[in-house]
Amino acid sequence: ETGVTQSPTHLIKTRGQQVTLRCSSQSGHNTVSWYQQALGQGPQFIFQYYREEENGRGNFPPRFSGLQFPNYSSELNVNALELDDSALYLCASSLYLVGSTDTQYFGPGTRLTVL
Amino acid sequence: KNEVEQSPQNLTAQEGEFITINCSYSVGISALHWLQQHPGGGIVSLFMLSSGKKKHGRLIATINIQEKHSSLHITASHPRDSAVYICAVILINQFYFGTGTSLTVIP
Repeated sequence: ETGVTQSPTHLIKTRGQQVTLRCSSQSGHNTVSWYQQALGQGPQFIFQYYREEENGRGNFPPRFSGLQFPNYSSELNVNALELDDSALYLCASSLYLVGSTDTQYFGPGTRLTVL
Repeated sequence: KNEVEQSPQNLTAQEGEFITINCSYSVGISALHWLQQHPGGGIVSLFMLSSGKKKHGRLIATINIQEKHSSLHITASHPRDSAVYICAVILINQFYFGTGTSLTVIP
């Protein structure tokens, strides 16, 4: 167990709806990253938040947005859902210190199905 | 072109065999992760490397920064090692993942 939790575990939405996924970081971690993993593919980096600010973003459209809260928990919001958004969404938390590289601890993921 | 390439894509081994999974990348990186993903999605970080070699139990990871190449070795493989192994590289604040190597270890 990594101490990183995600909710919900499974979710079914229809095209055009909006969804919010939640991630609770491991205690003491100040950075959270979100990933999308389509079936049979490797994870794709969506974005990273460090101390409540976006700190890096992958090749995802603006309808993918996020928040990090003062307790370092995080949300991933996806607007105007498309069928291709069906995937496993993973979050990973880490402790970032200037000058160091960080190990990521992954949550169990949220399986999103868009119909 | 994917920034991270893994080989092989699929691997079947007999219990006890020595296994090697390779990862090549095309960008300058600050660190490389080896991840293990079991059916159902859970991902565990096995190693994070920025140079040299690390060992944990039966697992060994090496990285050659000049050649932009890393290997994950499993000694005395066991059926519980069956999983997808993913190589991921970190470039500044961007993370790039390989598509994974699916390993099946047969008793």
